[in-house]
Amino acid sequence: QKEVEQNSGPLSVPEGAIASLNCTYSDRGSQSFFWYRQYSGKSPELIMSIYSNGDKEDGRFTAQLNKASQYVSLLIRDSQPSDSATYLCAVNSRFSSNTGKLIFGQGTTLQVKP
Amino acid sequence: NAGVMQNPRHLVRRRGQEARLRCSPMKGHSHVYWYRQLPEEGLKFMVYLQKENIIDESGMPKERFSAEFPKEGPSILRIQQVVRGDSAAYFCASSTSARNEQYFGPGTRLTVT
Repeated sequence: QKEVEQNSGPLSVPEGAIASLNCTYSDRGSQSFFWYRQYSGKSPELIMSIYSNGDKEDGRFTAQLNKASQYVSLLIRDSQPSDSATYLCAVNSRFSSNTGKLIFGQGTTLQVKP
Repeated sequence: NAGVMQNPRHLVRRRGQEARLRCSPMKGHSHVYWYRQLPEEGLKFMVYLQKENIIDESGMPKERFSAEFPKEGPSILRIQQVVRGDSAAYFCASSTSARNEQYFGPGTRLTVT
């Protein structure tokens, strides 16, 4: 079982729709969770961080965390073609919380069609 | 406020040569991380450093790879006797603490010919 799992996609949504990206993790003691966006040939860009159960909203983005289900998601409202990218879920597990080591999923490719 | 800086952005080395990758963290950040992204693969942690200390090098290959973060100057990732399999994008990230958000630099694309 991979430590952090994401559906590789591609996930295709029409412009203006809600895109829902999901991520599961194996270490129940994980403490910090992050979503990054990566355009092709570019570096990862931090979108959201979430540390406690529930929802966290920032503009068009909402991160949701459910530690009991070991599940974290990212919702993108009013999706734009410029949101087309690979979205990376990253987890700082209990065993690496003192070292900052992030474990990344493989990423989900999002395509927003005009 | 300048972001994480990496240089060079592109580096071409022949097999057997040495590669030196440099990273300057964001202002106010004292924690530096190196990650590697192989073609068509995910980001993999390599090493975590604070000034003059290697905290976690669990992701570093046992041979040919080393990292440092001296008291003065940038963090350096050094790859000796490069092989074609070392061709990848190497990203540096920095943060204010081990649990906080990590911000990535633009990366160094290493090509070994």
